[in-house]
Amino acid sequence: KQEVTQIPAALSVPEGENLVLNCSFTDSAIYNLQWFRQDPGKGLTSLLLIQSSQREQTSGRLNASLDKSSGRSTLYIAASQPGDSATYLCAVRPSTGANSKLTFGKGITLSVRP
Amino acid sequence: DTGVSQNPRHKITKRGQNVTFRCDPISEHNRLYWYRQTLGQGPEFLTYFQNEAQLEKSRLLSDRFSAERPKGSFSTLEIQRTEQGDSAMYLCASSLGLGVGEQFFGPGTRLTVL
Repeated sequence: KQEVTQIPAALSVPEGENLVLNCSFTDSAIYNLQWFRQDPGKGLTSLLLIQSSQREQTSGRLNASLDKSSGRSTLYIAASQPGDSATYLCAVRPSTGANSKLTFGKGITLSVRP
Repeated sequence: DTGVSQNPRHKITKRGQNVTFRCDPISEHNRLYWYRQTLGQGPEFLTYFQNEAQLEKSRLLSDRFSAERPKGSFSTLEIQRTEQGDSAMYLCASSLGLGVGEQFFGPGTRLTVL
């Protein structure tokens, strides 16, 4: 059974700092990995998707990397801003079977202090 | 409309009542997913449709839960005889069946069972 872990559960940083959010998964047989942002009481916004054959993806100040063999992904946020404060979740899709359901971590709640 | 929509956004009900939620996916997406998220946890998979066919149901989906997707368009999730443990955010997502299958989420329906 796939398990996704995100540690720490919460993180507080001063504005302007570059930061890395970690995600680990137990089964390396994944099709892709998605990073999401969730604001309090809201739905999920897809930030980046990395295919299993890719090493990284970039969008603006965000860069996500994937090391499938070691079961790790990181989300790098450059020059953090108070507006980046939210919960960040990673989720993996299995490479086997017809179902493309996602298995999520519990998320990392980020607070960026002005 | 360019995103996934869900109605209602909030639902408060008394224990034992039945509730029904609706999800309208992105129009060209043939895959539709339901997830449930409780406080401090990541979303957990409930069920998945490809077009009108329900292809997988999680063991989390007890006999009190039923989902439909008539004509492969919108979907409904019904909970019968609600229990306090059903209180959660119910999230709907959709994706294309081809390609990377990136999942896009709706704003969710927050259910509170008194």
